[in-house]
Amino acid sequence: DADVTQTPRNRITKTGKRIMLECSQTKGHDRMYWYRQDPGLGLQLIYYSFDVKDINKGEISDGYSVSRQAQAKFSLSLESAIPNQTALYFCATSASGTTGELFFGEGSRLTVL
Amino acid sequence: GQNIDQPTEMTATEGAIVQINCTYQTSGFNGLFWYQQHAGEAPTFLSYNVLDGLEEKGRFSSFLSRSKGYSYLLLKELQMKDSASYLCAVRDSNYQLIWGAGTKLIIKP
Repeated sequence: DADVTQTPRNRITKTGKRIMLECSQTKGHDRMYWYRQDPGLGLQLIYYSFDVKDINKGEISDGYSVSRQAQAKFSLSLESAIPNQTALYFCATSASGTTGELFFGEGSRLTVL
Repeated sequence: GQNIDQPTEMTATEGAIVQINCTYQTSGFNGLFWYQQHAGEAPTFLSYNVLDGLEEKGRFSSFLSRSKGYSYLLLKELQMKDSASYLCAVRDSNYQLIWGAGTKLIIKP
């Protein structure tokens, strides 16, 4: 089983729908991240959390929200999905006190029609 | 603004050596990472440089020159499984990662 698990792996939805992407990890890491990847662009940070009570906006947080339900769980929500949120979304973890190497989930491909 | 530049695509031959360059302009520097990403999969960590010089790890090596804002990833004895995208990322003074768009490496027999 993967150390960082994302669900769903693929989702097709319609404009205006609420979508939640979930991430859980068994690595015991305190830090969790949500990234978005679009063709031809670098990974873009949406939100990150350094512990359960810590939530921080990344460079592209508009239109997204997150919840850190436990150290091992970090979910990303799109309250009202729009077509330009069609992308590949990655959850990642890292451990404090290390070089900051990221461990990524398998990705969630979201299509908004 | 902050910027990471990498070639979009490179082609190399199986068994050969290839060097993928990365230049960066960031607000401060707190380390540079290389990740490998196969098509449709998650990125996986390859290397980390924070001091100038060469870090060698098996067939892969990574070099850093902080004064030049430059790094390269060197892949030796190329194998078909090395066909992937290679992502360069720099951690800035705020400890935020700035990512390049990645270099797609195509290996031909």
